[in-house]
Parts: sequence; C-alpha cells; structure tokens
Amino acid sequence: EAEVAQSPRYKITEKSQAVAFWCDPISGHATLYWYRQILGQGPELLVQFQDESVVDDSQLPKDRFSAERLKGVDSTLKIQPAELGDSAMYLCASSPRKGRTSGTGEQYFGPGTRLTVT
Amino acid sequence: AQSVTQLDSQVPVFEEAPVELRCNYSSSVSVYLFWYVQYPNQGLQLLLKYLSGSTLVKGINGFEAEFNKSQTSFHLRKPSVHISDTAEYFCAVSRQGGKLIFGQGTELSVKP
Repeated sequence: EAEVAQSPRYKITEKSQAVAFWCDPISGHATLYWYRQILGQGPELLVQFQDESVVDDSQLPKDRFSAERLKGVDSTLKIQPAELGDSAMYLCASSPRKGRTSGTGEQYFGPGTRLTVT
Repeated sequence: AQSVTQLDSQVPVFEEAPVELRCNYSSSVSVYLFWYVQYPNQGLQLLLKYLSGSTLVKGINGFEAEFNKSQTSFHLRKPSVHISDTAEYFCAVSRQGGKLIFGQGTELSVKP
C-alpha cells in the first residue's frame, strides 16, 4: 500500500540553527499539505500545495519558515532560524486531485518529523 | 470559518466497555467530517468520514459515527473497546476537499 514518506523521523537542533524536513507524497497525489502539531493539540495547516503552486500559506510564519515543491512531487519545509517554540511534530499529508478517485478531502498522513529545539 | 470542539480531553474506560467520543463543529457551509486516530509518535490514520447520505457511518476497527446536522455533532462510538484502541482521536472538518480543521483531540485510555 502506498504511503507518504517523511524524513527525518526525529530531529534535535539548537535554537538559531537551520533545519529542513522532507516529504514524498503518494504517487500521483496532486495536493500536498504541511501541518504543525504542538504537543497536546490538533494539527494546524502551515501550507498547502496544488502541484507546484502554493494555494494556502496564510498560517506559515514567513519570516522564518519556507516551503517548496519545485517539481510538484516531493516537498521540503525549512525553518531558519529555529526557535524554542518551534518544537512540535511536523506532519505531511497528500490527497488526490479533486474530481479523481476521491475528491473527498481525505488526506493521507506520513509518520511525521518530531522536532525538538534546545 | 469552520471550527471543531472535542468535548472531552481525556476518556478513561475499561476494556470491553462501550465508549463515545464527542465532537461538535460549526460552519456556515456544508462540510465533510472525519475522525482520525493517532498512536504515539505516529501520523494520523483515517477511521471514518462523512461526506453525504446516510448519517450513520461505519469505519475501521469497529468504530462508527453519527452525523447530526441539527446538533452540529459527529460523535464517535465503539460498542466494546480493546486495549489496542488506546490512542489520541481527532475530529476534523473540511470544506469539500480543502484543508482539514482539527479539534484539540481526545485521549482514549483503555484499562484492563
């Protein structure tokens, strides 16, 4: 069964350092999402891609966070510089293009990257 | 704008007992409704979804949920829980394929 891949699974970094996370969605999925989940809370959307275009980055702290999906396949989320408050689980999800197979909003999640900033 | 409220942050229950995890939502437009489960240090797995049609939705692992439009609720139920059901459960809404808006989560703890 196809899965969303994420790496690394765990990352410890010092504040003010740069950190990057990688996500490879399920093959053929046009939409890719990055969520941040703070301990004890539900995930919150950081950025949504449709193919290689950003369609929603309203909650992305753009002074320190950046995201790209250059070829419309895999994606990288970067934080520079990292702050203590960035400690969280970063989840990637993907979904098929609307109107195909299941344009139902069902999203398939990867295992996440747990970031600890010290 | 949509929002989701999960009414219980923690639900302790004994093995083989029934359980209900409560979820209310608010939205001015039609939404899709979902329940996801998250095991420690893992991603989210879809339990079930409501798109339209029958208000009683059956999902994986013996879970079901009922959509109640008048109460704006989507409560999750299981008639008999197992130790392996211990996990965090999230209710979520989306506007027909858009981003998911999650509740704060309910920690289900099944005790022997």
